[in-house]
Amino acid sequence: KQEVTQIPAALSVPEGENLVLNCSFTDSAIYNLQWFRQDPGKGLTSLLLIQSSQREQTSGRLNASLDKSSGRSTLYIAASQPGDSATYLCAVRPGTNAGKSTFGDGTTLTVKP
Amino acid sequence: ETGVTQSPTHLIKTRGQQVTLRCSSQSGHNTVSWYQQALGQGPQFIFQYYREEENGRGNFPPRFSGLQFPNYSSELNVNALELDDSALYLCASRTGGKDTEAFFGQGTRLTVV
Repeated sequence: KQEVTQIPAALSVPEGENLVLNCSFTDSAIYNLQWFRQDPGKGLTSLLLIQSSQREQTSGRLNASLDKSSGRSTLYIAASQPGDSATYLCAVRPGTNAGKSTFGDGTTLTVKP
Repeated sequence: ETGVTQSPTHLIKTRGQQVTLRCSSQSGHNTVSWYQQALGQGPQFIFQYYREEENGRGNFPPRFSGLQFPNYSSELNVNALELDDSALYLCASRTGGKDTEAFFGQGTRLTVV
């Protein structure tokens, strides 16, 4: 059974700091890994999708890496801003059942002005 | 905006009642998945529909059922509501490839009293 863990559960940083969010998964047989942002009480906004054959993806100030063999992904946020405050979730889509994405419980980020 | 819309946004029901939640998928997407997200946790996979057929199901009882229509919109039905069914219900749509990106709606907040 695939398990996804995100550490830390919460993180508070001053504005302008670079930071890294971590995601680990137990089964390396995945099709892809996707990072999402969720504002309180809202739906999920897709940030980055990394296919199993890729090592990293970049979008603006965000960079996500994937090390499938070790079951790890990181989301790097450069020059953090108060508007980045949200919960960040990672989800893996396993190779055995393409429909079922397994999510971590997220990291809640607060960026202080 | 992802193009995935859910209705209603909020709903209050009494224990034992039945509820229907609706999802309109993004144009061109033939696959819809439903998730339940309890407060402070990551989304849990309920089931997935591909071209009007259920092709994946998570660990949810049969009182959770669904439909997908020819225009690829979808419904989630929950019978005999329990207090623990109170959650944010999310739908996600994507094209049918196994490695495609999932786009989420804003969710329906269900409260069972």
